[in-house]
Amino acid sequence: DQQVKQNSPSLSVQEGRISILNCDYTNSMFDYFLWYKKYPAEGPTFLISISSIKDKNEDGRFTVFLNKSAKHLSLHIVPSQPGDSAVYFCAASEYSGGGADGLTFGKGTHLIIQP
Amino acid sequence: GAGVSQSPSNKVTEKGKDVELRCDPISGHTALYWYRQSLGQGLEFLIYFQGNSAPDKSGLPSDRFSAERTGGSVSTLTIQRTQQEDSAVYLCASRGQGGTGELFFGEGSRLTVL
Repeated sequence: DQQVKQNSPSLSVQEGRISILNCDYTNSMFDYFLWYKKYPAEGPTFLISISSIKDKNEDGRFTVFLNKSAKHLSLHIVPSQPGDSAVYFCAASEYSGGGADGLTFGKGTHLIIQP
Repeated sequence: GAGVSQSPSNKVTEKGKDVELRCDPISGHTALYWYRQSLGQGLEFLIYFQGNSAPDKSGLPSDRFSAERTGGSVSTLTIQRTQQEDSAVYLCASRGQGGTGELFFGEGSRLTVL
């Protein structure tokens, strides 16, 4: 049973437009959410996070929105740039200062920015 | 270097052979994780080490998989009698104490079992 779901395996967006990546979760105990970005042949790198006490966190072109009642979060990238082309993983944790299983990841969404 | 270091970056082996994958976490990080990513799949948790505590092995897919962490630093993931379904990218990550959940990943070891 997948606790973190990214239902879009891929997404194609024109350069300069907004990219919206979606993520749903089923475990109501999750209280910390992160987005990781992964280029081919590289490890995932942390992008942005949000605690369950917030509903929005913004960092430059990246904004993460959290809707706890819907168990849904989204990552907005605006404006999208060619360098944003990568696989984006949504992750969640029951943060307790170092939970045993770390993060639970979704399967990822491959974002393709078209020139 | 300052990041998580993994070796080898690529490993091709024959079915039935044993392989060892190494992870050198960020200095001072007390928590170390192994994940794997199979083709078309997300990141699957394998095992977690925290300080001197007993590791959480709940994600290991079979008894052919084992891992150890020596001296609270370097970790080795061992896969015995490899099978083709073991082919994946094995990712190591570490986290410092008091962190906010962020894991720092290495570049991974790509294992191909022929």
